[in-house]
Amino acid sequence: GEDVEQSLFLSVREGDSSVINCTYTDSSSTYLYWYKQEPGAGLQLLTYIFSNMDMKQDQRLTVLLNKKDKHLSLRIADTQTGDSAIYFCAERGSQGNLIFGKGTKLSVKP
Amino acid sequence: GAGVSQSPSNKVTEKGKDVELRCDPISGHTALYWYRQRLGQGLEFLIYFQGNSAPDKSGLPSDRFSAERTGESVSTLTIQRTQQEDSAVYLCASSLRGLAGVLGSYEQYFGPGTRLTVT
Repeated sequence: GEDVEQSLFLSVREGDSSVINCTYTDSSSTYLYWYKQEPGAGLQLLTYIFSNMDMKQDQRLTVLLNKKDKHLSLRIADTQTGDSAIYFCAERGSQGNLIFGKGTKLSVKP
Repeated sequence: GAGVSQSPSNKVTEKGKDVELRCDPISGHTALYWYRQRLGQGLEFLIYFQGNSAPDKSGLPSDRFSAERTGESVSTLTIQRTQQEDSAVYLCASSLRGLAGVLGSYEQYFGPGTRLTVT
């Protein structure tokens, strides 16, 4: 079946790098996504990666994809307090719907 | 409009009542999705509309849940005889659904959600 797993919590100090990890099960997924959810706000698409890529960089964000291990990670460089949020990993299901992990709550300490 | 909008933003209802939640997708987006997010959980897919095709209802948790969409515009999600376990944030998303292989065509843009509380 389709399933996405990610750790529930991550705590870092301001200025450090954050790495949020995710594993997925559907090897045929064409797109993999990272969404950010801030308290009381909707989901914001941060970045996505196509399955034929192994890395994508976008300013402070770096996405790494290991298709063999079905492992996806999001690295946030120079983490700021404004990055505190819940980060969801998602894979695209067979009907185009997104299959989400439970989310990783990132806490950034000053 | 500029983004996906949903109404109401909050809804409190008594157990056993019916509720209707509304979603206005981004203009021109042919695909529309409903998800449910229970407290502290990830998003759970409910239903998917693509153009005028029959919707994919495979995620609906029970026959108390139904949804409609008029063409490629507004969608309503109806929950009949609400139960306390229906309490959640209901999120709607739309996507352009362009040609296969076009990068970004499947990006889903989410609305702010409707927080439903069943007392």
